[in-house]
Amino acid sequence: DAGVIQSPRHEVTEMGQEVTLRCKPISGHNSLFWYRQTMMRGLELLIYFNNNVPIDDSGMPEDRFSAKMPNASFSTLKIQPSEPRDSAVYFCASSPYGGGNYGYTFGSGTRLTVV
Amino acid sequence: QQQVKQSPQSLIVQKGGIPIINCAYENTAFDYFPWYQQFPGKGPALLIAIRPDVSEKKEGRFTISFNKSAKQFSLHIMDSQPGDSATYFCAAGNSGNTPLVFGKGTRLSVIA
Repeated sequence: DAGVIQSPRHEVTEMGQEVTLRCKPISGHNSLFWYRQTMMRGLELLIYFNNNVPIDDSGMPEDRFSAKMPNASFSTLKIQPSEPRDSAVYFCASSPYGGGNYGYTFGSGTRLTVV
Repeated sequence: QQQVKQSPQSLIVQKGGIPIINCAYENTAFDYFPWYQQFPGKGPALLIAIRPDVSEKKEGRFTISFNKSAKQFSLHIMDSQPGDSATYFCAAGNSGNTPLVFGKGTRLSVIA
């Protein structure tokens, strides 16, 4: 298995533009998680899905952030409009089971820079 | 209740030393305690995990010690090598619908 695949690896965009981050989880994994990592805040959980259904989006910082999982093999995280404070590394992770009783496999991340 | 407190924030040891990273939790419902290792430019990768039915788990040079009564667990790296230089995250979770809770991370540098 190729693991969790994220694209793009790097994204530089201007403030106000729409940004879409993409994730392909490991086949057969039922849960998908979006995290944001910064030096100040560490790893923050933004949203997670079980069987393609959003379970908890309380970590999404603002209405500018939205996430979808239209099928078991694809998820997107969209920021519209983007702001400089959104600059961070965004990780997608998947797990065979929901909750926190099993290891997560992380992708390599998308480094977002908003100028 | 949902927090996992990790210390120290950073750690420098000499090659061959035994760095120890500590984590503490409050929620007694947690029953799964993994450690993740992250190299620059990469995502965190599962390193080793323990469940509370044992007090210690060893995989190669990495050992988790678990103290249920104190609600603490720690990672020990035996005979540390420069290649172990990375950021280490502890986490805690359970079989409910709540995702893993991560500590803030410890940046480890092993110098030759």
